[in-house]
Amino acid sequence: EAGVTQFPSHSVIEKGQTVTLRCDPISGHDNLYWYRRVMGKEIKFLLHFVKESKQDESGMPNNRFLAERTGGTYSTLKVQPAELEDSGVYFCASSQSGSTSGSRNIQYFGAGTRLSVL
Amino acid sequence: AQSVSQHNHHVILSEAASLELGCNYSYGGTVNLFWYVQYPGQHLQLLLKYFSGDPLVKGIKGFEAEFIKSKFSFNLRKPSVQWSDTAEYFCAVYTGRRALTFGSGTRLQVQP
Repeated sequence: EAGVTQFPSHSVIEKGQTVTLRCDPISGHDNLYWYRRVMGKEIKFLLHFVKESKQDESGMPNNRFLAERTGGTYSTLKVQPAELEDSGVYFCASSQSGSTSGSRNIQYFGAGTRLSVL
Repeated sequence: AQSVSQHNHHVILSEAASLELGCNYSYGGTVNLFWYVQYPGQHLQLLLKYFSGDPLVKGIKGFEAEFIKSKFSFNLRKPSVQWSDTAEYFCAVYTGRRALTFGSGTRLQVQP
């Protein structure tokens, strides 16, 4: 079974440019999460999709970040325009549908996308 | 808001040494607890989890963790580390309100 895949693994862009990160969750997982880790600090929650709907986007830092999950499959996270402080590692995770408690609350992570804004 | 503290940011051990990584969380209700590990260049993978029941949980690769509710702790242990355990370790808490809340991570370096 394929795991969570993220693309690209590394992106280097200049301040003011646009970058789009992609996440393909494990097949059949309705829950999809985006997290970010900045400068070796803790991994912080950005938002949560259930299928194609945004369940919780309270962690999104500002309106330069736009996440989509059309059709409830893969998700994209666009940063436009990118700023220096957006640099970090962006993780995607997915988990099974239904209750978010118990065994279905295990989140499976991708390897992350390292974003460098110069 | 809940938070997770990992007290050791960088740990260096020799092979065969014992390991204990501290994790404390701040939340008064029911929690699910996790330890994730990220080996160099790889994805975050689940090491072990606690939902309920026996507070001593065993995970992959000989790791275990003990949930002590009175101390709000979930420390990770391994009796004898190997060079291949070199990685970054993350403690995480799920309270049902939001997604996972992570600690800042502990980088473990095992010297052969």
